[in-house]
Amino acid sequence: GESVGLHLPTLSVQEGDNSIINCAYSNSASDYFIWYKQESGKGPQFIIDIRSNMDKRQGQRVTVLLNKTVKHLSLQIAATQPGDSAVYFCAEDLRGGGGSNYKLTFGKGTLLTVNP
Amino acid sequence: KAGVTQTPRYLIKTRGQQVTLSCSPISGHRSVSWYQQTPGQGLQFLFEYFSETQRNKGNFPGRFSGRQFSNSRSEMNVSTLELGDSALYLCASSLGQGMIQYFGAGTRLSVL
Repeated sequence: GESVGLHLPTLSVQEGDNSIINCAYSNSASDYFIWYKQESGKGPQFIIDIRSNMDKRQGQRVTVLLNKTVKHLSLQIAATQPGDSAVYFCAEDLRGGGGSNYKLTFGKGTLLTVNP
Repeated sequence: KAGVTQTPRYLIKTRGQQVTLSCSPISGHRSVSWYQQTPGQGLQFLFEYFSETQRNKGNFPGRFSGRQFSNSRSEMNVSTLELGDSALYLCASSLGQGMIQYFGAGTRLSVL
């Protein structure tokens, strides 16, 4: 079926540590993945994306890794800061075989808490 | 550049009423998608519009509908409201289909 799930619902880290948030997806046909951050009272904010022809992509303090063999996605945040505290969602773009069937399927989310 | 704007931010309705939510996309964006967010179900896709045409629809009853205008602004309507429709409704816009979606802050709908 089409689903995106997260292994850990909550993650607590110390300020300055690295954080790793994991995500599993079930649709092997998915070719685009996105990580969003949602702070309380706000809409999801784009962090980083990756296409299925890549296995790693880096941004500012963030790295996304894609393992298509086991259908696993992870978001690594370096030197985690209190401002990183939020719910993180992975999303999968289901393209329905190249048609106009574009939609994002989101995981349930992981709450990241950064302790000072 | 202004972000995605959703109005109103908060709404309280009673069962059986209908509601219309509005979304103004980022300037130049032609694709608008709507999502429902609840604690139990998370973020669920409602529908997507591109150039005034609904291109895709999620698994929601027909009480949920939407439209897009020529200026890319979009509205969604929920008729005959039920308690379970209480949720945060999010709108996202993108330059085109399959491109990065940018979200608004959402409309918090409470059905009493």
